Amino acid sequence: GNSVTQMEGPVTLSEEAFLTINCTYTATGYPSLFWYVQYPGEGLQLLLKATKADDKGSNKGFEATYRKETTSFHLEKGSVQVSDSAVYFCALTKAPAAGNKLTFGGGTRVLVKP
Amino acid sequence: GAVVSQHPSWVICKSGTSVKIECRSLDFQATTMFWYRQFPKQSLMLMATSNEGSKATYEQGVEKDKFLINHASLTLSTLTVTSAHPEDSSFYICSARGRDGLFFGPGTRLTVL
Repeated sequence: GNSVTQMEGPVTLSEEAFLTINCTYTATGYPSLFWYVQYPGEGLQLLLKATKADDKGSNKGFEATYRKETTSFHLEKGSVQVSDSAVYFCALTKAPAAGNKLTFGGGTRVLVKP
Repeated sequence: GAVVSQHPSWVICKSGTSVKIECRSLDFQATTMFWYRQFPKQSLMLMATSNEGSKATYEQGVEKDKFLINHASLTLSTLTVTSAHPEDSSFYICSARGRDGLFFGPGTRLTVL
């Protein structure tokens, strides 16, 4: 079956540091890949996505590239802010057939200190 | 953007009682809603897919008689945990699919004593 593995947290950084959260997946075919972010007390929000190999998703300074050869979708941001403190989830779906049925990684808590 | 609410945000109940959790799409119609369960420091596990006006589709290993799902309208789905036990304590999250995408509720923390 499908699975997503992401690095365990918490990840603690200083403001303006470089952030990388590793994510690898196991799936047949060509899944769509996502990063979701959950801020304290809020629901998950879509951060970025990529639907085919070599696509790069980007949003709010975050980037992730769909690497089929390494089955990875690592999240990066060059200079984090305190407001980036949140839990980040990598996910995949075999959409459209799956109809948005998502398989999530375990989540990575990121804490950015001023 | 589209908003999904859940009620209650947290609930504590005694073992053996039933608890109902509501998931509402506030400003859009959701033909499909998903219910997830999240254990501490673990991933979200899909429990069931709920389509308006039809029976929910449960994932393997999820007891349909224990976790009753009703999707009676295009803006409301409910999850009822029947005869709750301490092992049912968890964080329950719903998501709703609308025309503009998939949106998540803030979650409901259930603690069964």
